[in-house]
Amino acid sequence: ETGVTQSPTHLIKTRGQQVTLRCSSQSGHNTVSWYQQALGQGPQFIFQYYREEENGRGNFPPRFSGLQFPNYSSELNVNALELDDSALYLCASSWGQLNEQFFGPGTRLTVL
Amino acid sequence: DQQVKQNSPSLSVQEGRISILNCDYTNSMFDYFLWYKKYPAEGPTFLISISSIKDKNEDGRFTVFLNKSAKHLSLHIVPSQPGDSAVYFCAARGNQAGTALIFGKGTTLSVSS
Repeated sequence: ETGVTQSPTHLIKTRGQQVTLRCSSQSGHNTVSWYQQALGQGPQFIFQYYREEENGRGNFPPRFSGLQFPNYSSELNVNALELDDSALYLCASSWGQLNEQFFGPGTRLTVL
Repeated sequence: DQQVKQNSPSLSVQEGRISILNCDYTNSMFDYFLWYKKYPAEGPTFLISISSIKDKNEDGRFTVFLNKSAKHLSLHIVPSQPGDSAVYFCAARGNQAGTALIFGKGTTLSVSS
């Protein structure tokens, strides 16, 4: 059974640019959640996708957007990058919206 | 305002002794609580959970206690092992679909041999 994978591992962008992060959910999982973890903080919920629809969103601006594909993999897109967007971005998958979430290793984004 | 608080940034324990990690929450709508463990360069790994209808849940060396009236939960690790050294996150959520998992800031546990 393949776990949650994320790509890329690390990424460096400059302010104002756009970035796309990718996540492959664990086999059999239909729900993907994205989190942002700033240094010294716990993960903060960005949004959740269930069967290709966004069904929950945290306190993040619209420039954070996402997609979920028919195979339940997912993308997180961030437009107009700001310095404060520098963080570890975590993807988690689950079977169903309320079940245990399994996390990927994360993508470390640095905005210069 | 933090809805889930882990007030101890770090904890040091000797191998074989008990580790107690604490967590407080403010939102009375939370009804499910989880502990995750995180090693550097890895994502958080689920450790143990507890529903609000229970006050204790055990899994091997790990026990979680929930005190709803105090809005407090704790994770006990007995006996502690050097491999337990990691960052521990407390998390909570409500029972609505799409509801966020709210994390604390984490406690770094160091177990010395």
